[in-house]
Amino acid sequence: AQSVTQPDIHITVSEGASLELRCNYSYGATPYLFWYVQSPGQGLQLLLKYFSGDTLVQGIKGFEAEFKRSQSSFNLRKPSVHWSDAAEYFCAVGVLGGGADGLTFGKGTHLIIQP
Amino acid sequence: GAVVSQHPSWVICKSGTSVKIECRSLDFQATTMFWYRQFPKQSLMLMATSNEGSKATYEQGVEKDKFLINHASLTLSTLTVTSAHPEDSSFYICSANAAGLTSEAFFGQGTRLTVV
Repeated sequence: AQSVTQPDIHITVSEGASLELRCNYSYGATPYLFWYVQSPGQGLQLLLKYFSGDTLVQGIKGFEAEFKRSQSSFNLRKPSVHWSDAAEYFCAVGVLGGGADGLTFGKGTHLIIQP
Repeated sequence: GAVVSQHPSWVICKSGTSVKIECRSLDFQATTMFWYRQFPKQSLMLMATSNEGSKATYEQGVEKDKFLINHASLTLSTLTVTSAHPEDSSFYICSANAAGLTSEAFFGQGTRLTVV
């Protein structure tokens, strides 16, 4: 079975500084990888996804993530954070082949933005 | 883009009553929908997979008689929490997958259930 580890429960970053959120996955085959953002009391918004091809994927709101198979990682980055980026971020892995299985989520990383 | 609508967004019910939550795919057909549960400050845990026209598949530890799932059409799945208790209070989120090998999950906005 697949699993996702987000080692950082909380991260505090100054506004304008760069950001990297870590995600490691465990899955025996090629995974689908996702990053979602959740504001308090809200559903999830997809930031970006990796299915195949270029290992550096661009997402919305200036986020990007890099798939590194050798490290089983899919870290999320942003060069300059904004106060509106404060939220909960979830990394998730899905099964290649689409649709048949639900996603497995990491425990999330709470991002705090300092003025 | 694909939109998934979840209703209601919040509900308060008395202990012992049942609550129904709806999940609709508005602009696409979803043969498979998923129900997740999220406790405060925790991650989403998959509860069950809902397949149109067949019985839902429940994850280990999820009581199928307590969390009734019906997926009667390609655009609607419902989750009914039966005989709700305070420990069922949680944030419930559904997702639906559009067809295709590279399908991604589209999430509803979630339902905050409070059982008093």
